[in-house]
Amino acid sequence: DSGVTQTPKHLITATGQRVTLRCSPRSGDLSVYWYQQSLDQGLQFLIQYYNGEERAKGNILERFSAQQFPDLHSELNLSSLELGDSALYFCASSVAQTGELFFGEGSRLTVL
Amino acid sequence: QKEVEQDPGPLSVPEGAIVSLNCTYSNSAFQYFMWYRQYSRKGPELLMYTYSSGNKEDGRFTAQVDKSSKYISLFIRDSQPSDSATYLCAMSAINSGAGSYQLTFGKGTKLSVIP
Repeated sequence: DSGVTQTPKHLITATGQRVTLRCSPRSGDLSVYWYQQSLDQGLQFLIQYYNGEERAKGNILERFSAQQFPDLHSELNLSSLELGDSALYFCASSVAQTGELFFGEGSRLTVL
Repeated sequence: QKEVEQDPGPLSVPEGAIVSLNCTYSNSAFQYFMWYRQYSRKGPELLMYTYSSGNKEDGRFTAQVDKSSKYISLFIRDSQPSDSATYLCAMSAINSGAGSYQLTFGKGTKLSVIP
């Protein structure tokens, strides 16, 4: 158990819909990262927050947004969903900013 | 050329074999090198972490970094069926704009250890 909690574990929705994925980092970790993992693309970095502030952006689509709240939990919002958004979405947290990430179990999104 | 190259396999070995997993990279700015293990339908789990050239050993696992050749390896001795998983290499470099290190992952090598 990494200590990072993600909900929901599975989500099935239709094209055009909007979903919110939630992440609680490990106790004491200030950084939260979101990654997307699909079969052909591997782990793709989406966005990083540190203590409530956006720190870095990766390949995150404009239809996607995220935020980190004062209690350090984070939410990833995915809107106008397309079939190609079906993937595993991972949240990770880190206290040391050297790249040691601790991942949650992921949220599996299926868009039909 | 991708920043991090990793052979996706799949790699199938008999129980007890020595496994060698490798990654090459092109970005000289990478400073920290990691290996993650990911079981099916689970999140990646940090296995090994190193920042210097040379070897680092942890039980049956040895991580090797050769910065001059831009090449990293993970060796698994006496492989077990429980080692069957996808192994991802990862490397980090400072993102000066973010004030933190940014991780880049290889695509992962799927390993099966056959009893």
